[in-house]
Amino acid sequence: AQSVTQLDSHVSVSEGTPVLLRCNYSSSYSPSLFWYVQHPNKGLQLLLKYTSAATLVKGINGFEAEFKKSETSFHLTKPSAHMSDAAEYFCVVSDPGTASKLTFGTGTRLQVTL
Amino acid sequence: EAGVVQSPRYKIIEKKQPVAFWCNPISGHNTLYWYLQNLGQGPELLIRYENEEAVDDSQLPKDRFSAERLKGVDSTLKIQPAELGDSAVYLCASSEDGSSYEQYFGPGTRLTVT
Repeated sequence: AQSVTQLDSHVSVSEGTPVLLRCNYSSSYSPSLFWYVQHPNKGLQLLLKYTSAATLVKGINGFEAEFKKSETSFHLTKPSAHMSDAAEYFCVVSDPGTASKLTFGTGTRLQVTL
Repeated sequence: EAGVVQSPRYKIIEKKQPVAFWCNPISGHNTLYWYLQNLGQGPELLIRYENEEAVDDSQLPKDRFSAERLKGVDSTLKIQPAELGDSAVYLCASSEDGSSYEQYFGPGTRLTVT
């Protein structure tokens, strides 16, 4: 079975500093991995996806993630945090047999301070 | 383009009462999902529809939960009777089809059972 582990439940950064949200995965197959973001009172939104193409994936709002098979990691990064980035971020893996069957991590709450 | 619509946004009921949630997916999306999101956790799939057929309901507690998507468009999720442990956010999502990685989420219904 596929699973993801988000290593931090809460991350706090200052505006303008880099963001790093960590995610490790476990999969018997070559996984498809995603990051979703959830702003308060809004629906979850896809940030970016890795589906066995380029290992460095660029997403919306300046976020990117790098798939590292040797480390079984898919960490989310952004060079400079903005106040509007404050939200809950979920690392997600899809079932190899059914692309639309998603397994979510427990989430990382990103706080951005002035 | 209108997103996924859910109603109500909030619901407070007493235990043992019935409750129903409604979801209207994005127009043209054949696949519809209901997720349960407990506080501090990632969403967990309850049921997935391909058009009007429930193709994955293995995680739906069938003793008290039921769902329908009669015409393959909007859907209703029902709980009868509700228990205290059902307090959570119920999310609806849709995608173009079952092979699509990207799911579009509604804002959710926050249920409180007292």
